[in-house]
Amino acid sequence: AQRVTQPEKLLSVFKGAPVELKCNYSYSGSPELFWYVQYSRQRLQLLLRHISRESIKGFTADLNKGETSFHLKKPFAQEEDSAMYYCALLYNFNKFYFGSGTKLNVKP
Amino acid sequence: NAGVTQTPKFQVLKTGQSMTLQCAQDMNHEYMSWYRQDPGMGLRLIHYSVGAGITDQGEVPNGYNVSRSTTEDFPLRLLSAAPSQTSVYFCASSYGVTNEQFFGPGTRLTVL
Repeated sequence: AQRVTQPEKLLSVFKGAPVELKCNYSYSGSPELFWYVQYSRQRLQLLLRHISRESIKGFTADLNKGETSFHLKKPFAQEEDSAMYYCALLYNFNKFYFGSGTKLNVKP
Repeated sequence: NAGVTQTPKFQVLKTGQSMTLQCAQDMNHEYMSWYRQDPGMGLRLIHYSVGAGITDQGEVPNGYNVSRSTTEDFPLRLLSAAPSQTSVYFCASSYGVTNEQFFGPGTRLTVL
């Protein structure tokens, strides 16, 4: 069965420190993975997709099929990065499975 | 361009009542979906649609019905509300399934 695990419910870092939000997945097919973010009082929105291999707001994520991971990284965290982050897996062509989310708190 | 709209924002139901959560988008998106979010859990897919007239079940479809008669609208019906359906419901749409999903503001439903 497909599954997405985000092991940390809360991650606190200081401004300027590196940040890594972990995402592990379980899926027998070819995975397509996404990171979504929800800032305070805003709607859930796409941050990045692994198929685009892009960097958004300084964040990157690399799909590691060997470790079945799609960790989200940023070298220098900013206070405006504080938000709820969700990792999502597209499976069976049309269905999404979301992880339970990690709350990132960037302290000044 | 209103994006994805959901009504109502809040709703309280009694056990056994039925209701419809409305979702509409004005972006001509083909893919639409409904999720529920419970405390400590991620979004769970209830139903989805890849175009008008085509719907399918997600991870947690029991107790819910959907239809997609137009590209714009994707209502979610609760047939006989149960306390276990107390949740926040999100509708989302995207141009294609691998494209960015745009989410609605959510409907907070309480079933007593």
